[in-house]
Amino acid sequence: GAVVSQHPSWVICKSGTSVKIECRSLDFQATTMFWYRQFPKQSLMLMATSNEGSKATYEQGVEKDKFLINHASLTLSTLTVTSAHPEDSSFYICSARDRTGSGANVLTFGAGSRLTVL
Amino acid sequence: GENVEQHPSTLSVQEGDSAVIKCTYSDSASNYFPWYKQELGKRPQLIIDIRSNVGEKKDQRIAVTLNKTAKHFSLHITETQPEDSAVYFCAASRGGGGNQFYFGTGTSLTVIP
Repeated sequence: GAVVSQHPSWVICKSGTSVKIECRSLDFQATTMFWYRQFPKQSLMLMATSNEGSKATYEQGVEKDKFLINHASLTLSTLTVTSAHPEDSSFYICSARDRTGSGANVLTFGAGSRLTVL
Repeated sequence: GENVEQHPSTLSVQEGDSAVIKCTYSDSASNYFPWYKQELGKRPQLIIDIRSNVGEKKDQRIAVTLNKTAKHFSLHITETQPEDSAVYFCAASRGGGGNQFYFGTGTSLTVIP
């Protein structure tokens, strides 16, 4: 089945630094990837939709300059949290849609990245 | 955009009993409704999905029903087992292309042995 790899799984950084999280589709091409944020015991909040070769589409209330998304290839999307602050500490999960075969339109998630900003 | 509401937020059942989780959605154009199971510290995993041209779908102990008119869909788990304990999320999507998935707020299910 479709596999999505996400790393790092856990990152700790100092306030003011930037952190990059990578999301890769390993065995399929993903023209669209989604980035979610999940607070403890809460739901998956859609942050942005990452489109290969074009600008990401951000959800209302999500700062574009704060959360930079790049989708340079059909298998890789990156999320960069710029000038991170403690309130950015969270669990970030990417997902990709496999549009081919029997799994068409099925959303597959990465394992998530836990960001802790000191 | 789409607004997905999910109830209850927590649910405890005795092993062997049934569990039902309900979701409503607001966007009448949504046509794909998956359910995900997330165990503690792990990624969400798809357990069952339903498309708008179907009213019910079953996979062993899990079933999902969809009422397009009322814009609600439900997850039914029968003969619950302790390993069913997890957080369950419903989602709605327009399907196709880059259309987004919007998730419900989650239901924490505990199956008591």
